[in-house]
Amino acid sequence: QSVLTQPPSVSAAPGQKVTISCSGSSSNIGNNYVCWYQQVPGTAPKLLIYDNNKRPSGIPDRFSGSKSGTSATLGITGVQTGDEADYYCGTWDYSLSGGVVFGGGTKLTVL
Amino acid sequence: EVQLLESGGGLVQPGGSLRLSCAASGFTFSSFAMSWVRQSPGKGLECVSTFSGSGSTTYLADSVKGRFTFSRDISRNTLFLQMTSLRAEDTAVYYCARGGTVVVPFDYWGQGTLVTVSS
Repeated sequence: QSVLTQPPSVSAAPGQKVTISCSGSSSNIGNNYVCWYQQVPGTAPKLLIYDNNKRPSGIPDRFSGSKSGTSATLGITGVQTGDEADYYCGTWDYSLSGGVVFGGGTKLTVL
Repeated sequence: EVQLLESGGGLVQPGGSLRLSCAASGFTFSSFAMSWVRQSPGKGLECVSTFSGSGSTTYLADSVKGRFTFSRDISRNTLFLQMTSLRAEDTAVYYCARGGTVVVPFDYWGQGTLVTVSS
């Protein structure tokens, strides 16, 4: 059972827009920055979004992030077949021992 | 270019021990927090431990407290994860990642090393 809640799967046709939600609480998302990671099967995760809405160098502006209260959202516009992957949200959690917590991951299927 | 290269994974019996290494290059190792993040087969991500740039353990998951020890050798730019009393539920791909504090994301990841705990 993950601390952050994500839908198990989403799907979109090429060229469409898709959003992935991430729900938490005041001990994590509500008071910390949110990151998003992309993991293509068989490879290591890659940082996609940090500080809620910033993109590392090399990440196209088709990917965007937002946060409101205790929830965050990853948006992907102009979906491409190469975007098919698992997406994880992550943030710090101040409860108990602290540490970075993740969502359970969302599988994006490009139809 | 930042590179993280893990090694030391393998098959170990329940109750056994294993030491993972992560060789870092392309950045000032002592200036960054470093973490171990694991992923059980078909499952999500779990941060196991974070070591701050100053050299103290920032975080150690409850699931590994008392069994795993996190250390680093700055002279060799290498991170270590000493795992003892291993259990079947420790079976996972273990990733070395740069970052993992309150304000620093995991911005670079190694390719991972597989640890299998089984008799």
